[in-house]
Amino acid sequence: DTGVSQDPRHKITKRGQNVTFRCDPISEHNRLYWYRQTLGQGPEFLTYFQNEAQLEKSRLLSDRFSAERPKGSFSTLEIQRTEQGDSAMYLCASSFPGTSGQETQYFGPGTRLLVL
Amino acid sequence: AQTVTQSQPEMSVQEAETVTLSCTYDTSESDYYLFWYKQPPSRQMILVIRQEAYKQQNATENRFSVNFQKAAKSFSLKISDSQLGDAAMYFCAYIVTGTASKLTFGTGTRLQVTL
Repeated sequence: DTGVSQDPRHKITKRGQNVTFRCDPISEHNRLYWYRQTLGQGPEFLTYFQNEAQLEKSRLLSDRFSAERPKGSFSTLEIQRTEQGDSAMYLCASSFPGTSGQETQYFGPGTRLLVL
Repeated sequence: AQTVTQSQPEMSVQEAETVTLSCTYDTSESDYYLFWYKQPPSRQMILVIRQEAYKQQNATENRFSVNFQKAAKSFSLKISDSQLGDAAMYFCAYIVTGTASKLTFGTGTRLQVTL
């Protein structure tokens, strides 16, 4: 059983550059989530897809952030004109709600971004 | 605002002993799930245990068990027979059933396990 994978695992960029992260969910999972985790904090929700539809975006997701899930499989998160405050761990999770509505999110290893 | 509070930033336990991590949450919803996740240093977050709010029986998973007090909005994690591999950040989280299903996390408790 292949878990959630993320690429790259680490990214160092200069302020003002664009970066893109990729997430591959568990194959049968139709829901995909992006979270951001800063040092010493719990993850904070950014956005959520059900299949290819982006159903919710947090107010944390400024207009410099965009996420896509074009075919309902993998997802990309792009940050344009990066700022030092964007430095964080970006986590992806996926889930498949059962008939009883149970939903457990399984997390990938994360992409750690450092903006210099 | 819906929040999760973990009042213990750090905890320490001796190997083979028992430790309890506390968590309180605040939601106006009646139907939700509660989770404890473990995040070892530089490793990915994994699910430890899950509790459905409509179930009165406390969930258990091997050495891990919870004390769920719905009226008090409390959800503590007990780790029995602690092992060195239990050392990690532990996050409490909840999710409201049937909505956007985003997890709301606490700030975590760092657990150290000593010999």
